[in-house]
Amino acid sequence: QQQVKQSPQSLIVQKGGISIINCAYENTAFDYFPWYQQFPGKGPALLIAIRPDVSEKKEGRFTISFNKSAKQFSLHIMDSQPGDSATYFCAATKRHYGGSQGNLIFGKGTKLSVKP
Amino acid sequence: DTEVTQTPKHLVMGMTNKKSLKCEQHMGHRAMYWYKQKAKKPPELMFVYSYEKLSINESVPSRFSPECPNSSLLNLHLHALQPEDSALYLCASSQPWGSEAFFGQGTRLTVV
Repeated sequence: QQQVKQSPQSLIVQKGGISIINCAYENTAFDYFPWYQQFPGKGPALLIAIRPDVSEKKEGRFTISFNKSAKQFSLHIMDSQPGDSATYFCAATKRHYGGSQGNLIFGKGTKLSVKP
Repeated sequence: DTEVTQTPKHLVMGMTNKKSLKCEQHMGHRAMYWYKQKAKKPPELMFVYSYEKLSINESVPSRFSPECPNSSLLNLHLHALQPEDSALYLCASSQPWGSEAFFGQGTRLTVV
C-alpha cells in the first residue's frame, strides 16, 4: 500500500522533444506529490510538486498532471534540453498536522537522456 | 535560502573507524532526515527528527547513531561500518507537517 510505481525506467528523447514520466500510487491517504531531479553525485533537487486538489501545475517547461480517480500523476518536460539529462524521482507523502512526521515514498526513478 | 549543507562531501573510512557526518539548515525547518542512497536506487529513509526528537527509526543498525543537537543541526555518527554501508548519505529538512523537503548534496561514504 505504500508503493509508488514509476515508469519508464529509462527514457531517451531528442532535443526539443517532450519527456513524459509516469507514476502511480495505491495509498489514497497520500496528499502531496513532489518530483525530484538528481544529477550524478548530487542530492535530489525539488523540481515541482502538486496537491490532489488540482489537476495540473506548470512551472516553466515542467508540468505535473494529476488524475486523482486513477491514482496517477505524471511529469511532462517540454522542449527537453541536454541539460535536463538526469534521474527523476516521483514521490508521495501524507502531510501530518501536529502529529508524527510523515516521510516521502519514492518511485524507483527514471534516467532521462536528452540527445542533442 | 533553500540550502541544506552537508559535510564532508566525501569520506573514506576503515571498518574500525569512528566518524561523523554533519548537516546544517537555516530555513527554520523543524524536521530533519537522514537518507541512504545506493547507486541507481531511490533514497531510503533512515531516521526522522521532528522538533529535535527522534520520531522515526527505520530499523537501522546500531552502528549508525543519529543526533540532533538543535533545530538547525543533524549529525550521523558512524562506527564499525561494513563495506556494504558504502553509499551516498543524504540529509533533508522540511516542516514537520510534511511539505517541501530539501536535500543536501550528500556525503559519498566509502567503507574499506
